[in-house]
Amino acid sequence: EAGVTQFPSHSVIEKGQTVTLRCDPISGHDNLYWYRRVMGKEIKFLLHFVKESKQDESGMPNNRFLAERTGGTYSTLKVQPAELEDSGVYFCASSLHLGVNYGYTFGSGTRLTVV
Amino acid sequence: GQQLNQSPQSMFIQEGEDGSMNCTSSSIFNTWLWYKQDPGEGPVLLIALYKAGELTSNGRLTAQFGITRKDSFLNISASIPSDVGIYFCAGQLGTSGSRLTFGEGTQLTVNP
Repeated sequence: EAGVTQFPSHSVIEKGQTVTLRCDPISGHDNLYWYRRVMGKEIKFLLHFVKESKQDESGMPNNRFLAERTGGTYSTLKVQPAELEDSGVYFCASSLHLGVNYGYTFGSGTRLTVV
Repeated sequence: GQQLNQSPQSMFIQEGEDGSMNCTSSSIFNTWLWYKQDPGEGPVLLIALYKAGELTSNGRLTAQFGITRKDSFLNISASIPSDVGIYFCAGQLGTSGSRLTFGEGTQLTVNP
């Protein structure tokens, strides 16, 4: 079984530009989550999709961040326009059902650097 | 929001030694989890704890869910070089669905 795949693995962009991160969850996993770790701090929750619907987006920092999951398969996270403080590692995770005991699997992350 | 205080921030131990890290919270969690992150990879679940007072082992790792449900510790025994990495605690509060709250991580270095 393929794991959670994130693309790109690294991205360096200039302040003010737009970047789109992609996450392909494990096939059949209805639950998809985005998290990020900024500057060596804690890994923070951003949002949770159940299929194509946003179940919880309370962790999204501001309206420069837009997450989509059209068709309930892969998800994209767009940052527009990017700011310096958006630098960090963005993780995606997926699970079959709610709850960590249902195979909550993380991808390898996208390291975003805004210069 | 909920916060987890994880300590120590860094840990340096000799190969073969034991190491211990812990997390505390001002809030109650229903589930405590410990993850390890290797360089360039995502966090991988090591141990999950579901009941207050629960003590669970996974090989050389042992973790406990505190009685107050506000803390947890992870112990690594007889460390080996491949134990190097960042260890994160995480809590899950039932009312927030499957959203996880993470600590800031402990960077473990094992000196040969």
